[in-house]
Amino acid sequence: AQSVTQLDSHVSVSEGTPVLLRCNYSSSYSPSLFWYVQHPNKGLQLLLKYTSAATLVKGINGFEAEFKKSETSFHLTKPSAHMSDAAEYFCVVSAPSGTYKYIFGTGTRLKVLA
Amino acid sequence: GAVVSQHPSWVICKSGTSVKIECRSLDFQATTMFWYRQFPKQSLMLMATSNEGSKATYEQGVEKDKFLINHASLTLSTLTVTSAHPEDSSFYICSARGRGSNQPQHFGDGTRLSIL
Repeated sequence: AQSVTQLDSHVSVSEGTPVLLRCNYSSSYSPSLFWYVQHPNKGLQLLLKYTSAATLVKGINGFEAEFKKSETSFHLTKPSAHMSDAAEYFCVVSAPSGTYKYIFGTGTRLKVLA
Repeated sequence: GAVVSQHPSWVICKSGTSVKIECRSLDFQATTMFWYRQFPKQSLMLMATSNEGSKATYEQGVEKDKFLINHASLTLSTLTVTSAHPEDSSFYICSARGRGSNQPQHFGDGTRLSIL
């Protein structure tokens, strides 16, 4: 079975400081992992994806994530937070081939303080 | 690229009416589309998966007669909420993915449904 755990439901950072959003996964297979961002009353926007290529994945808007198999982690980072980064972030693992269903984490709400 | 358009973005209607929500992939062929429901401050709950030209597969607990899904082409899926009631009020989001095992899902902007 596959699962995703987002370790923090809320994270607050000051503008210009680093962002770290934590995600641990459990998977019987080599997983495909994703980070999505959701702004209020909007759908989800893909930030980045890991699909068994490079373990350090660069995404849009300066975000990146590192796949660490030994730690079963896929944490999302950004060197310097911007006010526009305030949103809900979801870590996602994809089911094995066939259904391609997503298993969502419970989300982390990022607050950026001026 | 990979744009998914969802329409309408907001709908208010009376109890007992039916509401149709459209989900279109604008620049790719969507072999699979997904419909989700999201409650306030919660994650997304998968309602059903649909593949082009075949019947949708509903998740456990989702009433297939209330939530009718049609995926008639590689670019369009519709969700019809039949005889809607206030408890059906929610935020509904669709997503679509193209061919290939590593393709991500691309999401629409969601539809806020309010039943009076």
